[in-house]
Amino acid sequence: AQTVTQSQPEMSVQEAETVTLSCTYDTSESDYYLFWYKQPPSRQMILVIRQEAYKQQNATENRFSVNFQKAAKSFSLKISDSQLGDAAMYFCAYRTPGGAGNNRKLIWGLGTSLAVNP
Amino acid sequence: SQTIHQWPATLVQPVGSPLSLECTVEGTSNPNLYWYRQAAGRGLQLLFYSVGIGQISSEVPQNLSASRPQDRQFILSSKKLLLSDSGFYLCASHYYGYTFGSGTRLTVV
Repeated sequence: AQTVTQSQPEMSVQEAETVTLSCTYDTSESDYYLFWYKQPPSRQMILVIRQEAYKQQNATENRFSVNFQKAAKSFSLKISDSQLGDAAMYFCAYRTPGGAGNNRKLIWGLGTSLAVNP
Repeated sequence: SQTIHQWPATLVQPVGSPLSLECTVEGTSNPNLYWYRQAAGRGLQLLFYSVGIGQISSEVPQNLSASRPQDRQFILSSKKLLLSDSGFYLCASHYYGYTFGSGTRLTVV
């Protein structure tokens, strides 16, 4: 069974600095998707970034980028120029590819709470 | 794009009372639908998922049940709430990507 591990329950970063959140996963599949979600105090779940396993290029969304190491089964999130609004819980998630009848379930890590200090 | 309407936002219910949380989806058809529960400061636990009308799969044995009477409607229910049912409940839809509802904070007293 697939598992997702986030080894850092809490992290903090100074405003305008860079922080990296770690995520490792275990799977025997060769094709899959990886996600980072942000959950602010409002508890709305917001997609930050998505990576397809078949793509070698690391995904980037503005200040957010990932370091995807498929062989090492590692998927870390880097937040550059951290802002106060980045303070949230961050979840790493894994999904097998879709197909007829596939339930497309997400496998979730336990999350990393990120504090941004002014 | 998908939009999920989930209500109520907050609910306080006594032990032993029934529960009905509703989730509706706009902007797509035949999505996969999910109910998650999140305990305070913890990750998400998948409770139920549905790949179509009337098709419900349960991930964990519990006091709750789910139904999908219409393509874009997903309901989470209980006949008698327990204290341990307290938590934050999120509805999600997948159709070329995941979308989450805004959640329901349930407190059982």
